Amino acid sequence: ETGVTQTPRHLVMGMTNKKSLKCEQHLGHNAMYWYKQSAKKPLELMFVYNFKEQTENNSVPSRFSPECPNSSHLFLHLHTLQPEDSALYLCASSQAVLSGGASTDTQYFGPGTRLTVL
Amino acid sequence: GQNIDQPTEMTATEGAIVQINCTYQTSGFNGLFWYQQHAGEAPTFLSYNVLDGLEEKGRFSSFLSRSKGYSYLLLKELQMKDSASYLCAVRGVGNNRKLIWGLGTSLAVNP
Repeated sequence: ETGVTQTPRHLVMGMTNKKSLKCEQHLGHNAMYWYKQSAKKPLELMFVYNFKEQTENNSVPSRFSPECPNSSHLFLHLHTLQPEDSALYLCASSQAVLSGGASTDTQYFGPGTRLTVL
Repeated sequence: GQNIDQPTEMTATEGAIVQINCTYQTSGFNGLFWYQQHAGEAPTFLSYNVLDGLEEKGRFSSFLSRSKGYSYLLLKELQMKDSASYLCAVRGVGNNRKLIWGLGTSLAVNP
């Protein structure tokens, strides 16, 4: 148990569907991340939130829309996805990195949502 | 460019020792992480090195040489449950503290 939970664990959706992935962390962290993990590729960072503010959007297509209502919750809203978006979507959290801060900001991951787009 | 290299697959025997290497070329360096990921599960944090040398944590140790852009993860007294993917990640500096990830090394421990 890493203190980061994700739901659903598995999701199958058509290209015209709208769905949302949910992540919740119980570690008292202030930074949250969405990653995409595909076979034969390294982990791809999608979005970063620090203290509920988005600080990183790694050129992610607009069909992925993140939402961070508070430091404990993170959502990824999915709309009009493509089959190549099928992957494992991982959420992570860490201590937020403050300017001049010395935190190691080790990231702790949830179990992921296995997404299949038909 | 920025690059992390790890072997794709390794095989070892239960009870043995295995060393998983990671070499990196990055525009900045502010620490190197090792994670373990079992199939279908979350990556779990194993170790963090920011200074040169060996960090030991039970059966697992991690080594870093910043001048050589090189790290290794050493697993001793291998157990079947150590069969997993091992991910190496390097953190950037300044405002770019993103982790740059390797592809991971899939380790199979055989009886």
